[in-house]
Amino acid sequence: EPEVTQTPSHQVTQMGQEVILRCVPISNHLYFYWYRQILGQKVEFLVSFYNNEISEKSEIFDDQFSVERPDGSNFTLKIRSTKLEDSAMYFCASSGSGRGMHEAFFGQGTRLTVV
Amino acid sequence: AQKVTQAQTEISVVEKEDVTLDCVYETRDTTYYLFWYKQPPSGELVFLIRRNSFDEQNEISGRYSWNFQKSTSSFNFTITASQVVDSAVYFCALSELGNSGYSTLTFGKGTMLLVSP
Repeated sequence: EPEVTQTPSHQVTQMGQEVILRCVPISNHLYFYWYRQILGQKVEFLVSFYNNEISEKSEIFDDQFSVERPDGSNFTLKIRSTKLEDSAMYFCASSGSGRGMHEAFFGQGTRLTVV
Repeated sequence: AQKVTQAQTEISVVEKEDVTLDCVYETRDTTYYLFWYKQPPSGELVFLIRRNSFDEQNEISGRYSWNFQKSTSSFNFTITASQVVDSAVYFCALSELGNSGYSTLTFGKGTMLLVSP
């Protein structure tokens, strides 16, 4: 069964460092997303990406965040200068092999710990 | 603005009991979708069901059933004969259909279900 794959599963980084979280969406999906879940809290939308550009972003997704689809398979989230409050589980999701609403399939998440 | 409320923070039941997880939503749109996701202790998000706003038929899948009532803006989830493996956090989510055919999910805060043997 196709699945969304995220690497690494856990990353520890020092405050101020740049991190790149990687995702391989389901191959025929067209829409890609990043969500964040701070420990014990709800899942929050960060950004959606379609046709090689950002479709929508939340207030959380400020200038320190960026997304990229560098090749035909990977979808990355970069955090330029990490802060302690960036510590969270980051979920990549993909959906939609055609127009209309489709359920989002989530990866297993990357737990980011900023120390 | 979209909003999803899961008033039950934590529910504890004994195995084989039935349990209902509540979800109330707010949206101004007439076209929208509702979802339930399960987050087991391992942390991943597992899709359980999607329901569109035009389909109020209740759905049953094995021990799971969902009751969608537009009149009360609720989309409740019932687990019949609960099992220890059902222990997880359950999230209700809402999305509005955008013009570009995609939409983003607004999640509730989740309900932690603990099923003890």
